[in-house]
Amino acid sequence: EAGVTQFPSHSVIEKGQTVTLRCDPISGHDNLYWYRRVMGKEIKFLLHFVKESKQDESGMPNNRFLAERTGGTYSTLKVQPAELEDSGVYFCASSQESRTVQETQYFGPGTRLLVL
Amino acid sequence: DAKTTQPNSMESNEEEPVHLPCNHSTISGTDYIHWYRQLPSQGPEYVIHGLTSNVNNRMASLAIAEDRKSSTLILHRATLRDAAVYYCILRATWMNRDDKIIFGKGTRLHILP
Repeated sequence: EAGVTQFPSHSVIEKGQTVTLRCDPISGHDNLYWYRRVMGKEIKFLLHFVKESKQDESGMPNNRFLAERTGGTYSTLKVQPAELEDSGVYFCASSQESRTVQETQYFGPGTRLLVL
Repeated sequence: DAKTTQPNSMESNEEEPVHLPCNHSTISGTDYIHWYRQLPSQGPEYVIHGLTSNVNNRMASLAIAEDRKSSTLILHRATLRDAAVYYCILRATWMNRDDKIIFGKGTRLHILP
């Protein structure tokens, strides 16, 4: 079974440009999460999709970030325009829906974003 | 949010057991204790979780104090591949759940050959 995949693995852009990150969750996982770690800080939650709906977007830093999950499959995270402080590693995770126990989140390898 | 406290770093020799401590004195009765780890250049991965009883799986064991205010992740025989940052995380049960994972600073585990 394929794990969570993310594309690209690395991205280097200039301040003011736009970047779109993609995440393909494990097949059949309704839950999809975005997290990020910026320089020297802890991994922070950005948002959570259940299928195509945004369940929790409390961690989105500002309106330069736009996440979508069309059809409830893959998700994209667009940063427009990118700023220097957006540099970091963006992780995607997915999980099955569970009504009895805490579901395990499976993480992708991350996209390393560098804004110059 | 209930918080956890872990040492910043630990060192262990290869092929020896490793005990990674975690304090969570403000844990509520509905919080599960989860451990994730992040290997270099990879995303976090699930290790183990428990509520009250000690737990074992193929990766590790989790020992939970009787008062649940602390727990210990045990790697029975560390290998170089176990060098990672280990996160102790509290997650609420279904009825009180908050689906996102709140990561702290974790413990960076160094394995000496």
